[in-house]
Amino acid sequence: DGGITQSPKYLFRKEGQNVTLSCEQNLNHDAMYWYRQDPGQGLRLIYYSQIVNDFQKGDIAEGYSVSREKKESFPLTVTSAQKNPTAFYLCASSPGQGAGNTIYFGEGSWLTVV
Amino acid sequence: GQQVMQIPQYQHVQEGEDFTTYCNSSTTLSNIQWYKQRPGGHPVFLIQLVKSGEVKKQKRLTFQFGEAKKNSSLHITATQTTDVGTYFCTGGSNYKLTFGKGTLLTVNP
Repeated sequence: DGGITQSPKYLFRKEGQNVTLSCEQNLNHDAMYWYRQDPGQGLRLIYYSQIVNDFQKGDIAEGYSVSREKKESFPLTVTSAQKNPTAFYLCASSPGQGAGNTIYFGEGSWLTVV
Repeated sequence: GQQVMQIPQYQHVQEGEDFTTYCNSSTTLSNIQWYKQRPGGHPVFLIQLVKSGEVKKQKRLTFQFGEAKKNSSLHITATQTTDVGTYFCTGGSNYKLTFGKGTLLTVNP
């Protein structure tokens, strides 16, 4: 089936540790995104990538890093610099970048800092 | 920067009542999209509006794009328990889409 696969679905992290969330898509989409969702806060853009080997910071990039070495993959690393990382993380993709492109979301990853 | 505001933030209705959520932008939008996120799920695309004053219907859902292309509404007629979830609008006039905070709809059976 075509779609976006995120893993793991649930992840627990100790304070001071870096963790990497995986995102793979087989939709042949050029653009990929990472959003963070907190209760009552909607979707906030962390990073986005329009093309392989290129990515830009979103609205809340501090404490996060990404890479886009392959078209189908856009992993997100939550670093120890992120002060409040407990949240629901959504990876998404679209055929192109920006207005007019439908965004397809993965099922999300729940990250909890313990 | 561009902002997309949604109201209300929460809405609780009795099953069978109507529901409306509004999306307002500080700038003119080239188009607007609506998404629905069920509790515990991920956002799913509902519809896109492009033309000024455009109205589209999906069964009990009616979507409208304002004449000035700065606002939009989603109206649900005779809500059902399956309508429960958060409804997001998103729009952009540039290469980056901005999501509203969403409206959480709960339905009392």
